[in-house]
Amino acid sequence: EVQLQQSGAELVRPGTSVKLSCKVSGDTITAYYMHFVKQRPGQGLEWIGRIDPEDDSTKYAEKFKNKATLTADTSSNTAYLKLSSLTSEDTATYFCTTGDNNYFDYWGQGVMVTVSS
Amino acid sequence: DIQMTQSPASLSASLGETVSIECLASEGISNDLAWYQQKSGKSPQLLIYAASRLQDGVPSRFSGSGSGTRYSLKISGMQPEDEADYFCQQSYKYPYTFGAGTKLELK
Repeated sequence: EVQLQQSGAELVRPGTSVKLSCKVSGDTITAYYMHFVKQRPGQGLEWIGRIDPEDDSTKYAEKFKNKATLTADTSSNTAYLKLSSLTSEDTATYFCTTGDNNYFDYWGQGVMVTVSS
Repeated sequence: DIQMTQSPASLSASLGETVSIECLASEGISNDLAWYQQKSGKSPQLLIYAASRLQDGVPSRFSGSGSGTRYSLKISGMQPEDEADYFCQQSYKYPYTFGAGTKLELK
């Protein structure tokens, strides 16, 4: 069974960057598109983007194009989300997710990012 | 972007009651629609995909229907463990988009 293990909670300063990881086990990462989703406290789900680890091609939601960068390392079966120029608006839980046929069967546990001085 | 308008925003149901949640897409999405359940403090869980297909392991009281721009999730017989937030999501076109969510509570 595919499992996604995300890195731990982050407390970061405004204006800085943070890089979150999502390690895939139970299958090779190149079998899937890896997606990332944002959820602000008490709010809904926002799709950030996805990466195809096979060729590193990416798609982003327009509002995240200057905020998020997706990368993947096939040797470690890990996908990454880098968030830059952090503000309080970036305080949220970030999930990695993937699955078959563009549906999200598998989810990481989520990582809480808190932006505060 | 395709907008997903989900209703109602919140819902309260009695044990055994049948409930429905609707999602309206701003354009046709060719049944490329999923429903997720998210319990408090947990990751979302896939319930329904391709508008009407039940994910393995999901109780049969959950069902999905719809076509074109209108889709719905039905829970036939509310159970205590169904208390959660529910989201629809289209995967027809990038960027993928979610509905705003429905909070379902047990009355």
